[in-house]
Amino acid sequence: KNQVEQSPQSLIILEGKNCTLQCNYTVSPFSNLRWYKQDTGRGPVSLTIMTFSENTKSNGRYTATLDADTKQSSLHITASQLSDSASYICVVRVYNFNKFYFGSGTKLNVKP
Amino acid sequence: NAGVTQTPKFQVLKTGQSMTLQCAQDMNHNSMYWYRQDPGMGLRLIYYSASEGTTDKGEVPNGYNVSRLNKREFSLRLESAAPSQTSVYFCASEAGSNTEAFFGQGTRLTVV
Repeated sequence: KNQVEQSPQSLIILEGKNCTLQCNYTVSPFSNLRWYKQDTGRGPVSLTIMTFSENTKSNGRYTATLDADTKQSSLHITASQLSDSASYICVVRVYNFNKFYFGSGTKLNVKP
Repeated sequence: NAGVTQTPKFQVLKTGQSMTLQCAQDMNHNSMYWYRQDPGMGLRLIYYSASEGTTDKGEVPNGYNVSRLNKREFSLRLESAAPSQTSVYFCASEAGSNTEAFFGQGTRLTVV
């Protein structure tokens, strides 16, 4: 069964600290994996897209990793800011189809 | 550059009423999507359009119809609204399968 599971469900960290969010998937055949940031009441915003051959991709303080062998991805946030408080969603696309599998998201709360 | 624009932002309907949610993108993207997002659940695909003139069902199409009016516009119609359709609806577009997807701000729909 194709699934995307994210952990933890929620996370509270202090401003300035680093954190890592996890995404495990069983989707096959794999096309790409995306991380989105969704602020409360707004649409998701793309952070990274990684294909099968990419292990790491960065976007500012956000760094995503992908291990296609173990079907795991992580999103590392460096030096967190209050504006990082949001839900982070992992999405895996099926190869050759307009079909996506969404994780339920990790809700991050950065406190001062 | 407006990106993806959805209208309306909020709507309250009575059971059995009909309405059309509008979506327009100004990025010349081929693919457009309609999702719904319910509390505690990941986004679920309702319908998508891989290119102008084509539409296909997603994961949860029952109770909805769509029209890809032209390359810019992709509308979602509820013919007879039901309380189970209370949700936040997002429209998205992308140029290709390994490119960034852009989401609209969402339409918060309540059916009473």
